[in-house]
Amino acid sequence: DAGVTQSPTHLIKTRGQQVTLRCSPKSGHDTVSWYQQALGQGPQFIFQYYEEEERQRGNFPDRFSGHQFPNYSSELNVNALLLGDSALYLCASSLEGGLGGYTFGSGTRLTVV
Amino acid sequence: GENVEQHPSTLSVQEGDSAVIKCTYSDSASNYFPWYKQELGKRPQLIIDIRSNVGEKKDQRIAVTLNKTAKHFSLHITETQPEDSAVYFCAARDVNAGGTSYGKLTFGQGTILTVHP
Repeated sequence: DAGVTQSPTHLIKTRGQQVTLRCSPKSGHDTVSWYQQALGQGPQFIFQYYEEEERQRGNFPDRFSGHQFPNYSSELNVNALLLGDSALYLCASSLEGGLGGYTFGSGTRLTVV
Repeated sequence: GENVEQHPSTLSVQEGDSAVIKCTYSDSASNYFPWYKQELGKRPQLIIDIRSNVGEKKDQRIAVTLNKTAKHFSLHITETQPEDSAVYFCAARDVNAGGTSYGKLTFGQGTILTVHP
């Protein structure tokens, strides 16, 4: 039973660049949420996708955008990268509304230099 | 929006002792409260959760209690072992104005638990 898969595992980008992170949910899950975890902090909710639409969004600027595909996989895009975007980006999958709990991926460590 | 406060930020215990981590939340409508364990460089892993219609839940050495009136919930680990050393996060799932939950989790700041052999 495949868990949540995220790629790439590590990434280094320069300020001003754009980045795309990918997530494949756990088999049977249809909802994907993205979280940003800064060093020493708890994960912060970015947004959630269900039925290929963004259903809920946290306090993140429009530079953060996403997409969900018909196979439930998802992408997180960040434009005009800032140093402060350096963090671990976690993807969590679940059934709609979080029913049955959430499964987290191992994350993508993004470093902006 | 929901706000979750977690204490203490660090906790050091001797092997065999008990450890207690406490969280408070602000939104009385929140209905689901998971606890995650995160080891260095690894994914958060669910260790126990509780729903708002339950006051206590136990799974072997781990238990969680929920006081809805006071809006706080706690993680209790008994007979701690060195492998329990990790960062622990509490979280609350919010409910929107329409009474449904899309599943957004708000996390506490984390507790670094160190269990000394």
